[in-house]
Amino acid sequence: SQTIHQWPATLVQPVGSPLSLECTVEGTSNPNLYWYRQAAGRGLQLLFYSVGIGQISSEVPQNLSASRPQDRQFILSSKKLLLSDSGFYLCAWTGGVNAYNEQFFGPGTRLTVL
Amino acid sequence: QKEVEQNSGPLSVPEGAIASLNCTYSDRGSQSFFWYRQYSGKSPELIMFIYSNGDKEDGRFTAQLNKASQYVSLLIRDSQPSDSATYLCAVNDYKLSFGAGTTVTVRA
Repeated sequence: SQTIHQWPATLVQPVGSPLSLECTVEGTSNPNLYWYRQAAGRGLQLLFYSVGIGQISSEVPQNLSASRPQDRQFILSSKKLLLSDSGFYLCAWTGGVNAYNEQFFGPGTRLTVL
Repeated sequence: QKEVEQNSGPLSVPEGAIASLNCTYSDRGSQSFFWYRQYSGKSPELIMFIYSNGDKEDGRFTAQLNKASQYVSLLIRDSQPSDSATYLCAVNDYKLSFGAGTTVTVRA
């Protein structure tokens, strides 16, 4: 069966520091991968998605970036964090571009920027 | 950006009652629809999906889809305290567009 991992689970970082969040998927190949952010009490905002190695689409221009160095690895990064980057970061995967494919979420990383 | 609207809630129902959650979407061409449950502090988990007009039942959950009215709903029968969570409606056209969620509280 498929499993999605995210780490770290929680993170407290000062403003201006760098960020690296990692997501890996097991039990599938060539998944579509997604990064979402959920601010406190808010809905899910799609940040990036990837349909393959090295292929990244950005949904929201901001100080975050994403990379996909391996088929089942998706990384979210920032060179300098802002207070507004605080939130719950969720990685998700789906089995392909078919519009019917269900999307499954990892456990998330809760980021607090102070 | 596709719009997905959910009734704002919060929704409070007594234990054993039916909780009814509603969702409308803006893109008439949307093909698939999902309901996620999110407990406080946790990630969303998929509980139902529906592609065709009509009803789809899974245990105590029933999803209803009306593409002509661009409306999808979720009924939770025999509500239990463990159903207390935020329910997210999502519309999938290669990317998921989420509603803001409806928080449900089941009173024991």
